[in-house]
Amino acid sequence: RKEVEQDPGPFNVPEGATVAFNCTYSNSASQSFFWYRQDCRKEPKLLMSVYSSGNEDGRFTAQLNRASQYISLLIRDSKLSDSATYLCVVTSMDTGRRALTFGSGTRLQVQP
Amino acid sequence: GAVVSQHPSWVICKSGTSVKIECRSLDFQATTMFWYRQFPKQSLMLMATSNEGSKATYEQGVEKDKFLINHASLTLSTLTVTSAHPEDSSFYICSARFSTRGIYEQYFGPGTRLTVT
Repeated sequence: RKEVEQDPGPFNVPEGATVAFNCTYSNSASQSFFWYRQDCRKEPKLLMSVYSSGNEDGRFTAQLNRASQYISLLIRDSKLSDSATYLCVVTSMDTGRRALTFGSGTRLQVQP
Repeated sequence: GAVVSQHPSWVICKSGTSVKIECRSLDFQATTMFWYRQFPKQSLMLMATSNEGSKATYEQGVEKDKFLINHASLTLSTLTVTSAHPEDSSFYICSARFSTRGIYEQYFGPGTRLTVT
């Protein structure tokens, strides 16, 4: 089983739609959670961290459910510029060595 | 955010040659650098972790004699793909990490696209 699993998509949605991505992780000791965005042929860029209480940044809302080992990202009022691959990322507390573990990503295509 | 550069951004080489990729943290000192590889339509896979002045730690299945990593300073790490073969063609991304008051921040370089013919 992969450490971090995501639905690969693609999600094809019209502009203005609300779309939700889900992610599950297998390591119960995981402590930090993030959503990254990766555009085609570019490096990943941090979109937002995910906190236990849930957090919102503009049109983006992230939720964490530790009991179910589940993370979500909600995008409201989708824009064409939101088209990208969204990567769920987790890390353990052993940060002396452990790097970020990436999910395979969910591709979003927002259509006019 | 902090800036990490990689050079070259893309390279085409013949099978059997070696390729060196540089990763620099431009405005901070990176205590740890990571090297990732990404094949088309796949996730980033961690290859190795390196701390300045010590030997890199390689992930299972990554040949340390083929992928030589040197982390000579707090701002520079290099990855050398020795005797490259077509199956080594991939997108190589470095990442640099530093900590401030116990909080870790990690930034990615723009990646190097390697094509081996």
